[in-house]
Amino acid sequence: AQSVTQLDSHVSVSEGTPVLLRCNYSSSYSPSLFWYVQHPNKGLQLLLKYTSAATLVKGINGFEAEFKKSETSFHLTKPSAHMSDAAEYFCVVPSGTYKYIFGTGTRLKVLA
Amino acid sequence: EPEVTQTPSHQVTQMGQEVILRCVPISNHLYFYWYRQILGQKVEFLVSFYNNEISEKSEIFDDQFSVERPDGSNFTLKIRSTKLEDSAMYFCASNPAFSYEQYFGPGTRLTVT
Repeated sequence: AQSVTQLDSHVSVSEGTPVLLRCNYSSSYSPSLFWYVQHPNKGLQLLLKYTSAATLVKGINGFEAEFKKSETSFHLTKPSAHMSDAAEYFCVVPSGTYKYIFGTGTRLKVLA
Repeated sequence: EPEVTQTPSHQVTQMGQEVILRCVPISNHLYFYWYRQILGQKVEFLVSFYNNEISEKSEIFDDQFSVERPDGSNFTLKIRSTKLEDSAMYFCASNPAFSYEQYFGPGTRLTVT
């Protein structure tokens, strides 16, 4: 069965410093993987997706993620955090064709 | 750009009442989903729908829940007799054929009092 583990429930960074949000996946094959962002009281917005074309994936707002099969990881990074990045981030893996499995989420706090 | 829409944005209902949450998926999409997110918790899968029938449902999706695509554009989630624990944000999503990427609506916040 597919699953994802987000290793940190909360991450705090200072504005202008790098962001690292960790996600490990479990799958019997090379899966598709997604990162979604949810700003307070808002819906889910796709940040980026990995679908086996390239291991380094660039997304919106300067985020990127690298798929590492040897480490079963898909960590989300950004070189320089902005106040507007404060949100909840979800790592997601599809299970079969028909549903998403969400990680437990990482709440990112950006300090001025 | 096409988007998934949901109505209402917020629904308040009394325990035991029936509610219907409505979604309009993207028009050429074939797979439809409902998810829910209890406040402060992760997003959970409820049900998937394809070719006018349920493809898969979770343990949460018991006999109190039903889904329907009544007219080829709307996709509804009905809760027959709401409980306090049904209070959550409900997200509708859809995706086209041959793609894992789901497009989410903005959500309906359901509050059961």
